[in-house]
Amino acid sequence: AQSVTQPDIHITVSEGASLELRCNYSYGATPYLFWYVQSPGQGLQLLLKYFSGDTLVQGIKGFEAEFKRSQSSFNLRKPSVHWSDAAEYFCAVGINNQGGKLIFGQGTELSVKP
Amino acid sequence: DTEVTQTPKHLVMGMTNKKSLKCEQHMGHRAMYWYKQKAKKPPELMFVYSYEKLSINESVPSRFSPECPNSSLLNLHLHALQPEDSALYLCASSHLSTSGDEQYFGPGTRLTVT
Repeated sequence: AQSVTQPDIHITVSEGASLELRCNYSYGATPYLFWYVQSPGQGLQLLLKYFSGDTLVQGIKGFEAEFKRSQSSFNLRKPSVHWSDAAEYFCAVGINNQGGKLIFGQGTELSVKP
Repeated sequence: DTEVTQTPKHLVMGMTNKKSLKCEQHMGHRAMYWYKQKAKKPPELMFVYSYEKLSINESVPSRFSPECPNSSLLNLHLHALQPEDSALYLCASSHLSTSGDEQYFGPGTRLTVT
């Protein structure tokens, strides 16, 4: 069965430090992969996506992610975290043959220390 | 314009009430989705409409009734809800492209059932 695992429930980093959020997926075919961010009480905002091609993808707000097929991973990175990056981050895999259904990981809550 | 709008922002209803949630997009997307999200959890898919037809119902109780009047609008009719149905209800839309399909989310409706 398809699944997404985000091993870290909560991460705290200092402002200006680098960030890496981990995501592992289980899916038989080539996955469509996404990272979304959600601020408290808000909807989800798409940060970036991987469909095919270059395995390093750039997103909004200075985020990037690297697709590693051999490790079934799609980790999210940012070189320098800002206080406004504090939020919940969800990794998701798209099951394109099911009308666009998304399978979400459990999320990682990011806190930023001043 | 990558905006999905949802009304109302907040809704409080009794268990005997009937109410509706509304969602609208003007991006020409042909798929629309309803998700339910409890606190500190990822969104859970409820329904998918593809080309204005219900394509996925994730075994949602009949007290939730979706409707897609046209390609831009999606409603969720609520009747005889339970307190455990209190949650953030998110609407999303996507192109339904076979080459990769990202979902755009609205800000959500915070529902409280008393």
